Amino acid sequence: GAGVSQTPSNKVTEKGKYVELRCDPISGHTALYWYRQSLGQGPEFLIYFQGTGAADDSGLPNDRFFAVRPEGSVSTLKIQRTERGDSAMYLCASSLTSASTDTQYFGPGTRLTVL
Amino acid sequence: RKEVEQDPGPFNVPEGATVAFNCTYSNSASQSFFWYRQDCRKEPKLLMSVYSSGNEDGRFTAQLNRASQYISLLIRDSKLSDSATYLCVVRGNNRKLIWGLGTSLAVNP
Repeated sequence: GAGVSQTPSNKVTEKGKYVELRCDPISGHTALYWYRQSLGQGPEFLIYFQGTGAADDSGLPNDRFFAVRPEGSVSTLKIQRTERGDSAMYLCASSLTSASTDTQYFGPGTRLTVL
Repeated sequence: RKEVEQDPGPFNVPEGATVAFNCTYSNSASQSFFWYRQDCRKEPKLLMSVYSSGNEDGRFTAQLNRASQYISLLIRDSKLSDSATYLCVVRGNNRKLIWGLGTSLAVNP
């Protein structure tokens, strides 16, 4: 079946602009996670949703970052007033539930470059 | 101190070699443990979960030592296709995955 998909695969923007990154989880998965990975680093947790609600947003670096999942399926990560330091690979993952033993399946990521 | 620590390598080994990666974690309340594999510029993919009893999947063996807060991955008879970064991942009851920096492996012909 279809895996997690993310669009766009690459996004180049200018400092100060607004960007939206989209994630389509595996159908039926209730938990959705966003991570950010900088070059040479492991992924860093940003936020996770259980259904429509953000269950833990403690990883969002500041108030320029916001994510929504209005219908409990597709999620959008929104970054306002982008900065060069926001350049990274943004990874989305989904799992059947948020149980600690459930496998998280990752999408191919969106590579964001802020010039 | 990072929550999950790994030797970043790189490990350069010949085909057929046995290679071992180690990882330590700081939170004794961690509940689940995993090894992920990540190829260059690709997303991470689950290689295997790690259990206290140890688990094996073909050429790969993973081990967890809760007392020492230590996780290992052993790859036997390494193949060229095993070249990748191996990420040690720990999960607590807060559902977040905490990742190590990854260990880079290059298997040479």
